[in-house]
Amino acid sequence: QQKVQQSPESLTVSEGAMASLNCTFSDGTSDNFRWYRQHSGKGLEVLVSIFSDGEKEEGRFTAHLNRASLHVSLHIREPQPSDSAVYLCAMSMDNNNAPRFGAGTKLTVKP
Amino acid sequence: EAAVTQSPRSKVAVTGGKVTLSCHQTNNHDYMYWYRQDTGHGLRLIHYSYVADSTEKGDIPDGYKASRPSQENFSLILELASLSQTAVYFCASSDRGRNQDTQYFGPGTRLLVL
Repeated sequence: QQKVQQSPESLTVSEGAMASLNCTFSDGTSDNFRWYRQHSGKGLEVLVSIFSDGEKEEGRFTAHLNRASLHVSLHIREPQPSDSAVYLCAMSMDNNNAPRFGAGTKLTVKP
Repeated sequence: EAAVTQSPRSKVAVTGGKVTLSCHQTNNHDYMYWYRQDTGHGLRLIHYSYVADSTEKGDIPDGYKASRPSQENFSLILELASLSQTAVYFCASSDRGRNQDTQYFGPGTRLLVL
């Protein structure tokens, strides 16, 4: 079973500064990676999906995948206080395995 | 847009009682999932289903049953609710296929077992 570790557990940044979140996984067979955002008391909102090594940008959100390093990251450009939320990474194998989630990173963006 | 609804949105149950959480999707998706969320653990997979009338165990199935009577509906059943099952429960659906395998989540059900 795929293990997913997120770091840091919590992160505080100032408005406008880049925020970087990390996710590592236990083996390189996953080929389906996503980052979600969850505001307090709310459901999950998908931010970026990435399926191959390299970079994928969706607005202010950029994901970087490096399977050799078992690592996927999320970078948030010009974060705003409204981006304060828990960020979750999830990964799964094509078709045959339900997505597994990390424990999340709580991001706080200070004005 | 894809839609996943859950009912009830919140529930208070007594220890030892039976609880049924319901999920309905109008996405015409084959895959449905149940997760629970606890502080510090993210989302953990309880049960999932690839097709109607069939369910699969996830990572933490003990104390839970699942039922998929139709493509649209997926229920999670706690036969004997326990204090440790207090959590927020999320249902999700997804289509087949790698590039289309985005999961769409319901709003969650907050369950409190007393």
